[in-house]
Amino acid sequence: ETGVTQTPRHLVMGMTNKKSLKCEQHLGHNAMYWYKQSAKKPLELMFVYNFKEQTENNSVPSRFSPECPNSSHLFLHLHTLQPEDSALYLCASSQDASGQLNTGELFFGEGSRLTVL
Amino acid sequence: RKEVEQDPGPFNVPEGATVAFNCTYSNSASQSFFWYRQDCRKEPKLLMSVYSSGNEDGRFTAQLNRASQYISLLIRDSKLSDSATYLCVVNKEISGTYKYIFGTGTRLKVLA
Repeated sequence: ETGVTQTPRHLVMGMTNKKSLKCEQHLGHNAMYWYKQSAKKPLELMFVYNFKEQTENNSVPSRFSPECPNSSHLFLHLHTLQPEDSALYLCASSQDASGQLNTGELFFGEGSRLTVL
Repeated sequence: RKEVEQDPGPFNVPEGATVAFNCTYSNSASQSFFWYRQDCRKEPKLLMSVYSSGNEDGRFTAQLNRASQYISLLIRDSKLSDSATYLCVVNKEISGTYKYIFGTGTRLKVLA
């Protein structure tokens, strides 16, 4: 059983809707990540938070807005999405993204499968 | 050029076969390397780290060639349960943050 939980597991939304994806980790980690996985493409890193500070925004459009209120929780707020944003959104955590405690292992949640109509 | 390149497969092999996957990476500053496994409709999970001297974990052997920027995974005595997608992952530091870069994955089907 994963120590990283994501909700909802499935989401269908229209292009004008606003919704949020939630991620919670129970592993005591300090770094959290959002990845996007589309068919036949590698996982794309979207955002990294380390000790609640955003350290990476990988040129993600502003219709995706992350929020990290504490080291255990991560949100991805979605608004005015496009059909090409339909994908599996994976949250992950690791001990530390800055290297000092970095063991190299990412722990993933089961993902939120998003369909934009 | 993609940062991490893998042959997507699928590799269809009979049970008991030995199969090898390769991966190349473009950034010579990359510092650590991993193989993850992803089952259909599941999240990726760490299979093994890849060390400079090569390392083995049961039926799985990983090798790293820094000069050629090449990583490999060898699976011996394949089991049906090995059927999955194997993701090559490279970790590099940029401005104090470690970024995990994933390949597209190589799909393996082990046939009875």
